[in-house]
Amino acid sequence: EDQVTQSPEALRLQEGESSSLNCSYTVSGLRGLFWYRQDPGKGPEFLFTLYSAGEEKEKERLKATLTKKESFLHITAPKPEDSATYLCAVRGGGGSYIPTFGRGTSLIVHP
Amino acid sequence: DAGVIQSPRHEVTEMGQEVTLRCKPISGHDYLFWYRQTMMRGLELLIYFNNNVPIDDSGMPEDRFSAKMPNASFSTLKIQPSEPRDSAVYFCASSFPPTGANVLTFGAGSRLTVL
Repeated sequence: EDQVTQSPEALRLQEGESSSLNCSYTVSGLRGLFWYRQDPGKGPEFLFTLYSAGEEKEKERLKATLTKKESFLHITAPKPEDSATYLCAVRGGGGSYIPTFGRGTSLIVHP
Repeated sequence: DAGVIQSPRHEVTEMGQEVTLRCKPISGHDYLFWYRQTMMRGLELLIYFNNNVPIDDSGMPEDRFSAKMPNASFSTLKIQPSEPRDSAVYFCASSFPPTGANVLTFGAGSRLTVL
């Protein structure tokens, strides 16, 4: 069974204070690791897909990286508008096409 | 495209009543998913469809829950009878080929409160 653990559960940063969110996973043959952003009162919105260890993806102040056991979402010089819950999901090679989601990290960036 | 459209956005009902949640996926998407999100359990997959056919309903908590997809542009999730522990936000999502079921586009959700 695929498992995803995200840490920390909640993170408070000052504007401009860079940090990283962690996603640890256990899958049988990784077929993809996904990052989503969820704003209050809205559905998750897709950010990145990573497929193999060493791969990196960037979008504005966000950079996602992947190793064989975990992924990091690095946030550089965050702004208040980066405040959201960030969800990690994995798809394993067990035959299911469906990603398994972690419980998310709630990020608040104070001005 | 207007994205995945869900209705109602908010539903407050009393225990024992029937609840029907509705979803219109993005045109051309061939996968449709129903998820439930709570603080305690996070985002849980209830059921998903491929080309209108239910593929995996192992996440449906019990027989009180049922889902249908009569055509490519409409799906319903029904709870009958509803219980207070069903209170949650229910999301519908759809997926576009050729990425298959990997990248999901979610609706805004239906917040259900059962009193």
